[in-house]
Amino acid sequence: AQSVTQLDSHVSVSEGTPVLLRCNYSSSYSPSLFWYVQHPNKGLQLLLKYTSAATLVKGINGFEAEFKKSETSFHLTKPSAHMSDAAEYFCVVSDLHSGYALNFGKGTSLLVTP
Amino acid sequence: GAVVSQHPSRVICKSGTSVKIECRSLDFQATTMFWYRQFPKQSLMLMATSNEGSKATYEQGVEKDKFLINHASLTLSTLTVTSAHPEDSSFYICSARNRNTEAFFGQGTRLTVV
Repeated sequence: AQSVTQLDSHVSVSEGTPVLLRCNYSSSYSPSLFWYVQHPNKGLQLLLKYTSAATLVKGINGFEAEFKKSETSFHLTKPSAHMSDAAEYFCVVSDLHSGYALNFGKGTSLLVTP
Repeated sequence: GAVVSQHPSRVICKSGTSVKIECRSLDFQATTMFWYRQFPKQSLMLMATSNEGSKATYEQGVEKDKFLINHASLTLSTLTVTSAHPEDSSFYICSARNRNTEAFFGQGTRLTVV
């Protein structure tokens, strides 16, 4: 079975400082991993994805994530937070066993303060 | 990325009535569509997976007679909430994929049952 754990339900950073949103996963198969962002009352937007190619994945809006198999982690980072980054972020795992359905983490709410 | 259109974006209905939500893949053929439900300030929960031309597979705890899913073509899946009640009020999101693509999400439907 697959699962994903987002270690922090809320993260608060100051504008211009680095962002780290943590995610650990478990999967019996070679997983695909994703980060999605959801702004208030909006749908989901794909930030980036890992599908067994390069372990360091660069996404949109300056975000990136590193797949670390030994640590079963896929943490999301950004060097410098912007006010517009405030949103809900979901780490997602998918594998063959699930028929490629997406299994969502509980989400991390990112607050960016001036 | 590919476009998935979900309609309506918002719907208010009276208790006891049925509501149909459409999910269309506009520029690719979706062999598989997924329906998710999101409660306020919570993550997305997979409700069911539908493959074109076959019956949907429902997740444990999801009433198939309550949430009717039809995936009659490679570009359209529908979710019908039958005899809706206030506890069915939620944000419903579809996603679509085929063998060659990741899953793309619709914009979501905010259902309010009064």
